[in-house]
Amino acid sequence: GENVEQHPSTLSVQEGDSAVIKCTYSDSASNYFPWYKQELGKRPQLIIDIRSNVGEKKDQRIAVTLNKTAKHFSLHITETQPEDSAVYFCAASIPGNQFYFGTGTSLTVIP
Amino acid sequence: KAGVTQTPRYLIKTRGQQVTLSCSPISGHRSVSWYQQTPGQGLQFLFEYFSETQRNKGNFPGRFSGRQFSNSRSEMNVSTLELGDSALYLCASSLAAGLYSEQYFGPGTRLTVT
Repeated sequence: GENVEQHPSTLSVQEGDSAVIKCTYSDSASNYFPWYKQELGKRPQLIIDIRSNVGEKKDQRIAVTLNKTAKHFSLHITETQPEDSAVYFCAASIPGNQFYFGTGTSLTVIP
Repeated sequence: KAGVTQTPRYLIKTRGQQVTLSCSPISGHRSVSWYQQTPGQGLQFLFEYFSETQRNKGNFPGRFSGRQFSNSRSEMNVSTLELGDSALYLCASSLAAGLYSEQYFGPGTRLTVT
């Protein structure tokens, strides 16, 4: 089955700096890659996603890039703010199959 | 449109008991997945139901089971509870477990086994 690895497991940045979280996947059949943000005590919330026919997608301060050849995708957060502090999960999905999640990255934005 | 709901939100059980958790997906969503989340363990996939059929299953013992009803609502059951079953149980729904199907999570049921 699919295997998703996520790095780093923890990340601390100064407010205003950028944060990058990277994930790799193993199954080339995966074609949908969502990112979730989970604040303490809350449910994971979908923040951005990318499909395999797209190389990059941006939504305000958040962007995701996908390299199908290398089988990796990344989340980029620019101009970080304290409210960006949360655990971020990447995932990969194969049509008709389950979602495979990374182990999460705990992001702390230091004011 | 109402989001994914889960009941109960909190539950305390003792070892050896069984428990049933419920998940109501977003209207129109036919796929429901269940996850176990423990501190530092991320999201562990339990199983996924689509149109009342279990389509995918994770690596959990047979004590964990589930079902889906014709209205897409789903239940999961854990029998003979163990202390290690204490966790946040999340369900997530999607339109169809297929191409580019966004998945939305419920608030979770926090199960404590004593």
